[in-house]
Amino acid sequence: DQQVKQNSPSLSVQEGRISILNCDYTNSMFDYFLWYKKYPAEGPTFLISISSIKDKNEDGRFTVFLNKSAKHLSLHIVPSQPGDSAVYFCAASASSSGSARQLTFGSGTQLTVLP
Amino acid sequence: DAGVIQSPRHEVTEMGQEVTLRCKPISGHNSLFWYRQTMMRGLELLIYFNNNVPIDDSGMPEDRFSAKMPNASFSTLKIQPSEPRDSAVYFCASRLRAAGEQYFGPGTRLTVT
Repeated sequence: DQQVKQNSPSLSVQEGRISILNCDYTNSMFDYFLWYKKYPAEGPTFLISISSIKDKNEDGRFTVFLNKSAKHLSLHIVPSQPGDSAVYFCAASASSSGSARQLTFGSGTQLTVLP
Repeated sequence: DAGVIQSPRHEVTEMGQEVTLRCKPISGHNSLFWYRQTMMRGLELLIYFNNNVPIDDSGMPEDRFSAKMPNASFSTLKIQPSEPRDSAVYFCASRLRAAGEQYFGPGTRLTVT
């Protein structure tokens, strides 16, 4: 049972336009969400996170939106750049697990930004 | 900081051989995670440690897999005997605190022929 789902395996966007990556979750105990970016032959790198007490978090060109009622989050990249081309993973965790909290990852979305 | 260090970066071995993957977490981080990434199953957690103690190994696929963390700066993931279906990229990650993000190493690409 996939608790974190990224239903779009790939997304292509023109340079300068907005990229929107989506993620859905089923576990209502999840209260902390993260996005990771992964280039080929490298490990995932942390991009941005959001706690369930917020519905938006912004860091430069990257904004994450959280809709708790819909159990949905999205990552917006504006403007998109060719260097943003990578696989993006959504991840979630539950604070109720305390120090034992771990991340549950989605399957990833390959973003390609076309020049 | 050098980040999470994994070795080797690539490993090619024959079925039946023992494989040992190594990880050095970021200094000061007290949690360490081992993941496996495959096309079929994506990124899956195998085992993780808090303060060198294994907390959850429910993701370890079989008894052929074992992991140790003898001290705060070193961990190993061992597969004995290895099988072709173990071919995957294995990542190690470390974390400073429970509420923080995990930092991943570059991964070890394992090929078992």
